[in-house]
Order: sequence, then structure tokens, then C-alpha cells
Amino acid sequence: AQTVTQSQPEMSVQEAETVTLSCTYDTSESDYYLFWYKQPPSRQMILVIRQEAYKQQNATENRFSVNFQKAAKSFSLKISDSQLGDAAMYFCAYPPREYGNKLVFGAGTILRVKS
Amino acid sequence: DTEVTQTPKHLVMGMTNKKSLKCEQHMGHRAMYWYKQKAKKPPELMFVYSYEKLSINESVPSRFSPECPNSSLLNLHLHALQPEDSALYLCASSLLWGAGDVPDTQYFGPGTRLTVL
Repeated sequence: AQTVTQSQPEMSVQEAETVTLSCTYDTSESDYYLFWYKQPPSRQMILVIRQEAYKQQNATENRFSVNFQKAAKSFSLKISDSQLGDAAMYFCAYPPREYGNKLVFGAGTILRVKS
Repeated sequence: DTEVTQTPKHLVMGMTNKKSLKCEQHMGHRAMYWYKQKAKKPPELMFVYSYEKLSINESVPSRFSPECPNSSLLNLHLHALQPEDSALYLCASSLLWGAGDVPDTQYFGPGTRLTVL
């Protein structure tokens, strides 16, 4: 069964520092995609970053980058130079090919940013 | 414009009421989704429409009735809801559903916060 696990219910980071959110997943596929979504309080969910499993290079979007370890089935999100606006619930998600575009979400990690 | 809009933002209804949630996108997407999200939990997929046809119904109770009148609009009709149906209802859209090897990014609306009394 395809599962996504986020083992950190909550994380805190000081403004301007770096934080890493963990995600592991289970799949029997060799080619697949992984996503990190961000949902700020009372605001809509947006895509932060996506990774294609067949690409060796880790995806990067400005201050957001991933550490993708395919063999370990690990997909962590690193946020550099954290800002107050980064405070949100972060969901790791994976769309199994057999499910079409259906996303399997992790439980989420609440990130708090301290000033 | 990567925007999905939802109305109303908040809705309070009694268990005997009938109400509807509305979702709209003008990105030319042909797949639209309804999700239910409880506080501090991930979204749970309810329905998927592809080319205005219902593709997925995740065993949702019949008191929730989706409708896709055209490619830009998605409704969720609510009738005889229960207090446990109180949640944030999210709409999302993507270019296509289940086509090819590359999953399309889903774009989410801001949601309708529903309270059932």
C-alpha cells in the first residue's frame, strides 16, 4: 500500500534560520512524483515544490529545497532563511500512478516561526 | 491566473437545510476535485470530475451531491447534513485527471468553512 509518513507533528524555527521537515513514503513504483504543499492558517493550500523520482538532482525553489533519497524513500523539505510567512501546515504528498492524480497526503507538520 | 475561487467563505446550516457550495476556475483545467478537511488533518478526497463527468466518488454519503455544470464550475449540494460534517471543504483543479505519466499539479481554492448545527 502506498503511504506517506510525516513523523513531526510540529516544528519550530527561529526567523532567519534553517529548518528541515521530514517525509518518508512507501511505493513499489520506480518512476513517480512527490510534492510538498503549504497551507498557511486560514489561507489556501499552495504547491511549494515537486520532485521527479527519476531525476538525480534535488528540486529547489528559492529558499525551499528538498533532500530526496530514493533508496531510503525519504523526501525532506529544507527551508532556509525562515520568514514569518513560512508559518503554516506543510503536507508531503504522493500521487500513485494507479490512482491517476489522486494525492496520498502525509499527516502534516505544523511549522511555527519565532521572531 | 492560477486561481480557484470558492463561495461562500463560511456557511452555517441546520441539519434540515439545503445549501450549495460553489467553485470556479478559469485556467482551462478539465479536472476538478472536492476535498473535506478537518482541523489539523490532511484533505480527504471526496469527488473527482474529469471533463464534466464524475470519475471518482470516494464512497461519500448521498447527502453530499456534486455537480459540474461546465468545465469552469463545480458545485457541491448539501442536504440533511450531520454535525460531524462540519469541516473545511476545499475545491481543487488540475489540467487533466489521470492522463499520462506526469501528474498535473492540483491548484486549491481557499475553501468553505462549514458548520452544521
